[in-house]
Amino acid sequence: AQSVSQHNHHVILSEAASLELGCNYSYGGTVNLFWYVQYPGQHLQLLLKYFSGDPLVKGIKGFEAEFIKSKFSFNLRKPSVQWSDTAEYFCAVRNQAGTALIFGKGTTLSVSS
Amino acid sequence: KAGVTQTPRYLIKTRGQQVTLSCSPISGHRSVSWYQQTPGQGLQFLFEYFSETQRNKGNFPGRFSGRQFSNSRSEMNVSTLELGDSALYLCASSVTVSPLETQYFGPGTRLLVL
Repeated sequence: AQSVSQHNHHVILSEAASLELGCNYSYGGTVNLFWYVQYPGQHLQLLLKYFSGDPLVKGIKGFEAEFIKSKFSFNLRKPSVQWSDTAEYFCAVRNQAGTALIFGKGTTLSVSS
Repeated sequence: KAGVTQTPRYLIKTRGQQVTLSCSPISGHRSVSWYQQTPGQGLQFLFEYFSETQRNKGNFPGRFSGRQFSNSRSEMNVSTLELGDSALYLCASSVTVSPLETQYFGPGTRLLVL
């Protein structure tokens, strides 16, 4: 069965620090990869997605992620975080056969100003 | 376009009762998926509907059921509620059931079972 691991449960950063959130998945075939964000009191929103092509994908609000097939990883990055990036971040995977999203447990990011 | 809407937003029930949650997808979207979000288990897939047919089902007991209407609106029902059913229930819609589709999430219904 597919699974998604997010290694960091809670990350605390100061404004302007760089961010990298880890995500690894287990599935041997072709996958579609997603990062969603849930700001306090708001619903899940799509940050970025990878289906095929350039493994470095850019999303909204300055976020990017790199798909490394050999490492089964899809890490999220942002060069300089802002206080408004405080939120919970979820990595998700979907295989080509199904449409259900398999989510990681999420990483809570707290940014202090 | 209006986003995914879910009603009610908050609900308090007692053990043994049943509950029905509603989801209206984005206009033009025909696929609706349901997820349960809890602090311990995170986000878990419940089921997916497309054109009034259940296409996919997660690993939840039979107490959890759903349906979709001809206008793509969906309901999920939980019978004989247990304390562990307390969660945020999220609905997501997409245009079709293609794995390439992005799912758009609603605000959720927060269910508390006492």
